[in-house]
Amino acid sequence: DAGITQSPRHKVTETGTPVTLRCHQTENHRYMYWYRQDPGHGLRLIHYSYGVKDTDKGEVSDGYSVSRSKTEDFLLTLESATSSQTSVYFCAISIPGEYEQYFGPGTRLTVT
Amino acid sequence: GESVGLHLPTLSVQEGDNSIINCAYSNSASDYFIWYKQESGKGPQFIIDIRSNMDKRQGQRVTVLLNKTVKHLSLQIAATQPGDSAVYFCAENPTGGFKTIFGAGTRLFVKA
Repeated sequence: DAGITQSPRHKVTETGTPVTLRCHQTENHRYMYWYRQDPGHGLRLIHYSYGVKDTDKGEVSDGYSVSRSKTEDFLLTLESATSSQTSVYFCAISIPGEYEQYFGPGTRLTVT
Repeated sequence: GESVGLHLPTLSVQEGDNSIINCAYSNSASDYFIWYKQESGKGPQFIIDIRSNMDKRQGQRVTVLLNKTVKHLSLQIAATQPGDSAVYFCAENPTGGFKTIFGAGTRLFVKA
């Protein structure tokens, strides 16, 4: 998985609780992404980062925030988890000037 | 492992046969197209890409064909093997920026 780890790999949480997912890369790539994957929707971009402390919203950013204080770490936070945020979350990285992305192994999040 | 999708289009082929997976893309201005493979419990993995100024590109056992007239992309896998069983996604990058659009995917089953 191209030097990308995600933690935790599985999490069950209750509605209304905050949740933070971590993506860690060892490739020193500048661009990082968070996606969610749901049946029938493919991968949808939540947030992305083009450098330390430089982030922007994707198509499904409501209810999510991100932070990137170091090149290697990109955190996704659900401030108050809802059942609609039950999904599989993937982190990805890419190199500036190249379009292919390299994905982590995913985190399965269940909000009860 | 993480589920990819329960109701994806499915293609079932005999081991050794050739597979053709099709994809319709949405934006006629898209400049760059990618095929990804996702095995059960893993993140998507880059297979092959093609730019809009090309009609065909070949890799190892895989060929991507691009028909811009009808906005259609296909992935051909030669001599399909059991290890090719996975979900295959096409993706387009409309602007050359960060926002790649992923298709919902096709599940390929290879029968031994």
